[in-house]
Amino acid sequence: EVQLVESGGGLVQPGESLRLSCVASAFSLRSQWMHWVRQAPGKGLEWVSRISSDGSFTSYAESVKGRFTISRDNGKDTLHLQMNSLRDEDTAVYYCVRSMWASTPGDSWGQGILVTVSS
Amino acid sequence: QSALTQPPSVSGSPGQSVTISCTGTSSDVGGYKYVSWYQQHPGKAPKFMIYDVTERPSGVPDRFSGSKSGNTASLTISGLQAEDEADYYCCSYAGNNILVFGGGTKLTVL
Repeated sequence: EVQLVESGGGLVQPGESLRLSCVASAFSLRSQWMHWVRQAPGKGLEWVSRISSDGSFTSYAESVKGRFTISRDNGKDTLHLQMNSLRDEDTAVYYCVRSMWASTPGDSWGQGILVTVSS
Repeated sequence: QSALTQPPSVSGSPGQSVTISCTGTSSDVGGYKYVSWYQQHPGKAPKFMIYDVTERPSGVPDRFSGSKSGNTASLTISGLQAEDEADYYCCSYAGNNILVFGGGTKLTVL
């Protein structure tokens, strides 16, 4: 069974940084586009960022541009999201998502990891 | 980029059909074929249901179908079952390398 497992979440204060990671079991991420999608408590889904299979292309939602950086280490089959200058409104469950397509968060979602930004 | 507009809630009885709309603009839903739909049960990760407006990933029942007319995409669920009760979200490419989700629709099976 395809599984994506996120890690690195937790409680931080506004202005601090956090790095999320996502690893896959039972398959390789290397040929896939990868996305991060988040969901604030009790709210809807929000697309955050995406990265091409070789890591050469990235894009971001306006709400995180300049503060978040998506990256991948294909040698270790790992996806990362470096989150700097965190704000209260970044509090959410963050999902990593595997996709065959650039413009569609695709077929395999992680279980999600909670990030809480609060003083 | 504003979220796509979905009705907050829809409902239907078992065996009936329901349609959930997802309204955007010519810059997102109306301008591209990259509309997808997701089902989310409480406390669970979303499940991928439809991509490229009308395509179903393998394993998704054919009771679920997608369509689009102008700036509005739709998800139709026919032969409604109790387990279809969930939140549903649409997503579209919005140009300028950005994707946008809808606000979500809660489906209640009466």
